[in-house]
Amino acid sequence: QLQLQESGPGLVKPSETLSLTCTVSGGSISRTSYYWGWIRQPPGKGLEWIGTIYYSGSTYYNPSLKSRVTISVDTSKNKFSLKMSSVTAADTAVYYCARHGYCSHGSCLLNWFDPWGQGTLVTVSS
Amino acid sequence: EIVLTQSPGTLSLSPGERATLSCRASQSVSSNYLAWYQQKPGQAPRLLIYGASSRATGIPDRFSGSGSGTDFTLTISRLEPEDFAVFYCQHYDRSPWTFGQGTKVEIK
Repeated sequence: QLQLQESGPGLVKPSETLSLTCTVSGGSISRTSYYWGWIRQPPGKGLEWIGTIYYSGSTYYNPSLKSRVTISVDTSKNKFSLKMSSVTAADTAVYYCARHGYCSHGSCLLNWFDPWGQGTLVTVSS
Repeated sequence: EIVLTQSPGTLSLSPGERATLSCRASQSVSSNYLAWYQQKPGQAPRLLIYGASSRATGIPDRFSGSGSGTDFTLTISRLEPEDFAVFYCQHYDRSPWTFGQGTKVEIK
């Protein structure tokens, strides 16, 4: 059964770079034609898609965050990562990773998010 | 960008009652590319419905989805105590993939 687990610092200073990793277990990132995404949720608020990466490295980003976000994949470690630069207090949120779509027989669909990691709270504060 | 508006913001109901949640899109969502999630406090969202009306694996049949175009509905036929939570809709028509702001179903 596929499982995802986020990890990274829980506290980041304003103007610095937030870095998180999502470890995938129960399946190989490089052997399956899946997309992998990041979503965040500020405390008490709704969900916001941040970006998505294919196992080959191609990426999709939310235009509202694109200038500050980089998502990468390390197939040798079965992980994918998120970096968000120049963070402010508005970036304080629970960050989730999730599977987001697949390719099959030459057709690709980025669709729903399932399964999700448990989420990790990142607080931006000095 | 497709904006999803959920209503009502909060639904106060008793166990055993029927819950009807609405998700309205600012533009038509092609191929019924709409999903619903349930989120309980301190937990990650859980996929309930995809393709507007298909239940995800392990989801009880009291949960059903319907709709097309710009208007979608999640119905819980008879609320069980464990169903009280926040529910989100999400489209996957095209980037950026967006979520509604959520509907909280609380115990009356």
